[in-house]
Amino acid sequence: ETGVTQSPTHLIKTRGQQVTLRCSSQSGHNTVSWYQQALGQGPQFIFQYYREEENGRGNFPPRFSGLQFPNYSSELNVNALELDDSALYLCASSLVGGRNEQFFGPGTRLTVL
Amino acid sequence: ELKVEQNPLFLSMQEGKNYTIYCNYSTTSDRLYWYRQDPGKSLESLFVLLSNGAVKQEGRLMASLDTKARLSTLHITAAVHDLSATYFCAVDANRAQKLVFGQGTRLTINP
Repeated sequence: ETGVTQSPTHLIKTRGQQVTLRCSSQSGHNTVSWYQQALGQGPQFIFQYYREEENGRGNFPPRFSGLQFPNYSSELNVNALELDDSALYLCASSLVGGRNEQFFGPGTRLTVL
Repeated sequence: ELKVEQNPLFLSMQEGKNYTIYCNYSTTSDRLYWYRQDPGKSLESLFVLLSNGAVKQEGRLMASLDTKARLSTLHITAAVHDLSATYFCAVDANRAQKLVFGQGTRLTINP
């Protein structure tokens, strides 16, 4: 059984650019959630994908968007990057109907200059 | 809107001592999670508490949930240096797997 994986590990972008982060869910999991963790803060829920559809969104603007693929992997896209987007982006996978326990990937550290 | 508050936010303690981290939340929920995070790393699941009165223990850590008081505690017994980390509680208010996290408690255990 493979765990949650994310790529890339680190990324440096400049303001205004666009970025795509990727996540492969744990084997058997059908739900992917994305969180943003700013330095020194707790993670904040961005959105969740289930059956390739967005299934809830936190307080993030539309320039944060995502996709889920038939194999349950997912992408997080951020357009028009701002300095405040610098953070650790965490992907978590889970199984609807299970214990609702989320398993987190290693994260992608995004730095916006 | 669900709010989750942890206290203390910073805790420095000596090895061998006991202490408790508190997690209060503002709306009804019976699903609460505790995670550990080491510097620069991701979140490691520690405990899943799914009902009122739930108590889980693993090694020197014990977590409990009181849904009526909207309170969870993480108790550390006879602390050791390896437990130094940041600890987060998170609440799933609607059983929708959309977690709201506390601010985290940065725990430092000194020899």
